[in-house]
Amino acid sequence: GQQVMQIPQYQHVQEGEDFTTYCNSSTTLSNIQWYKQRPGGHPVFLIQLVKSGEVKKQKRLTFQFGEAKKNSSLHITATQTTDVGTYFCAGPYTGTASKLTFGTGTRLQVTL
Amino acid sequence: DAGVIQSPRHEVTEMGQEVTLRCKPISGHDYLFWYRQTMMRGLELLIYFNNNVPIDDSGMPEDRFSAKMPNASFSTLKIQPSEPRDSAVYFCASRSSENTEAFFGQGTRLTVV
Repeated sequence: GQQVMQIPQYQHVQEGEDFTTYCNSSTTLSNIQWYKQRPGGHPVFLIQLVKSGEVKKQKRLTFQFGEAKKNSSLHITATQTTDVGTYFCAGPYTGTASKLTFGTGTRLQVTL
Repeated sequence: DAGVIQSPRHEVTEMGQEVTLRCKPISGHDYLFWYRQTMMRGLELLIYFNNNVPIDDSGMPEDRFSAKMPNASFSTLKIQPSEPRDSAVYFCASRSSENTEAFFGQGTRLTVV
């Protein structure tokens, strides 16, 4: 079945350092979404990418969709303690765009 | 809008008991999803509804699990009988057909002892 893997599973950085999480799908995706889940919280939508090679920025966050539309990345510049949480990518199931397959997630810990 | 509302927030029950989780989606959203989150398996889609009709329940783990959506503003996920391995956080999410962004509720943390 369709699989969406993320690496790393966990990363611990010091405040001010950069962070990147990578998302890889076993199938081509029509679009990809990114969500953030704070500890004890629920997933919150961050962004959606649709076009091959698309790059979008939200302040210190940069999202990229691969040319083959099978991978994506999220890069955070100069992390802050407010960036702590788990970041998930999610793509539509093959043949059924209505439901999402969530990636395995990357947990980010930021310390002073 | 208050967002997706789930109840209860926490549930502790004994093995063998029936558990009912509740969800009120955002008004106007025509898709509703039930997810389960565990450390081992991550976020798993259990079932989803479109216009109150169950579309795909292939993620429902066993016959002990059932879900209903009697109207556009209410859905339930029932586990009967519950088992310790059902312990997880259960999320309900909704979205509109015009937008792929899913809005999640706060979740119900279920502990079966």
